[in-house]
Amino acid sequence: EVQLLESGGGLVQPGGSLRLSCVASGFRFTSYVMNWVRQAPGKGLEWVSTIDNSGATTYYADSVEGRFTISRDNSKNTVYLQMNSLRAEDTAVYHCAKYYDFGRSPFDPWGQGTLVTVSS
Amino acid sequence: AIQLTQSPSSLSASVGDRVTITCRASQGISSSLAWYQQKPGKAPKLLIYDASSLQSGVPSRFSGSGSATDFTLTISSLQSEDFATYYCQQFKSFPFTFGPGTKVDIK
Repeated sequence: EVQLLESGGGLVQPGGSLRLSCVASGFRFTSYVMNWVRQAPGKGLEWVSTIDNSGATTYYADSVEGRFTISRDNSKNTVYLQMNSLRAEDTAVYHCAKYYDFGRSPFDPWGQGTLVTVSS
Repeated sequence: AIQLTQSPSSLSASVGDRVTITCRASQGISSSLAWYQQKPGKAPKLLIYDASSLQSGVPSRFSGSGSATDFTLTISSLQSEDFATYYCQQFKSFPFTFGPGTKVDIK
């Protein structure tokens, strides 16, 4: 069974940093592109970042470009999201998600998410 | 960035009803569109990919159609477990974008 388990969320002050982790199991991690998607409380889904299977190519939403860094450790089946200069508007549940297929594709499955709250 | 709009934003329906949700892209995305279902407190679940392909394990009452800029998700006979919020997503180009969602609740 494919599983994605996020951790690392919590309460952080504006301007602070946090690193999220997503541990994957049940599939060949090195073969798949991985993603982060967030959902602010009561709001819709917002794509945050994508990393290719080797870690060489990354993509970011404009809203996080320059502040967030996605990375992966294929030896640990883990994808990370380093979040710096956090703002109140970054408050959200952060989900990691796997590409469904090998090419550019939708996301399946998704992890349950980890809540990040940015507040003083 | 490619913008996605959904209509309606919400709807009330009864068990057994046929439900149709529309997603429109601001530019052509071929068939690079997916539909997700999300229930409160849960992660989104992939229902439809490539505009019309049913994800494994998803009931056949769900179907998708469309291409280029106009897409629809249809639930042929709404069941109690289908009350949820539905999102479309384009994966044609970065930044990936989602529609604002359509909430389906009980009439």
